[in-house]
Amino acid sequence: DADVTQTPRNRITKTGKRIMLECSQTKGHDRMYWYRQDPGLGLRLIYYSFDVKDINKGEISDGYSVSRQAQAKFSLSLESAIPNQTALYFCATSDFTDTQYFGPGTRLTVL
Amino acid sequence: GQQVMQIPQYQHVQEGEDFTTYCNSSTTLSNIQWYKQRPGGHPVFLIQLVKSGEVKKQKRLTFQFGEAKKNSSLHITATQTTDVGTYFCAGRKNDMRFGAGTRLTVKP
Repeated sequence: DADVTQTPRNRITKTGKRIMLECSQTKGHDRMYWYRQDPGLGLRLIYYSFDVKDINKGEISDGYSVSRQAQAKFSLSLESAIPNQTALYFCATSDFTDTQYFGPGTRLTVL
Repeated sequence: GQQVMQIPQYQHVQEGEDFTTYCNSSTTLSNIQWYKQRPGGHPVFLIQLVKSGEVKKQKRLTFQFGEAKKNSSLHITATQTTDVGTYFCAGRKNDMRFGAGTRLTVKP
């Protein structure tokens, strides 16, 4: 959905590096989410935020941190990347209906 | 903890055949959603079910929510090549949990 953008779209990095993935949305939604997708495991929730002052851990938050800089921006950081964090990362937004609107994804490879 | 299981993992059908994917939760859900992800794309919302026993239809797609609100199914009648992709269910209890998805391929 063009209303949800993610940067970068692809990233290759080395073990131990700090990485930040960024998400921006123009849908005006309060709720934002970060998921990772691995083959055979579906989408797993990392962190979510229901407004600028609200941050919640999801199913797999270890090794990740997030920052909600504004209603429209939600960034995901890997403080010290490791190879098993190689995955496809999706940002999503939702309104009160709970429907998730996904960005195009960021493919991260950690060598 | 809350788990959402989805079967089958893969399904290959001949064009015109029917297709069904099933989703089961370990806990009672407040709602369940279905998404479709085309190859190389991102998940796109299809539908949300909220009520016990609810059935909704979208053209050739039929969605059901179980009476106990712990299971759901998506049935596609007479598949077409445009139906190719991975179908995910997502159940909400305290947070949103996605099933692993069913990857559908269709032979013309």
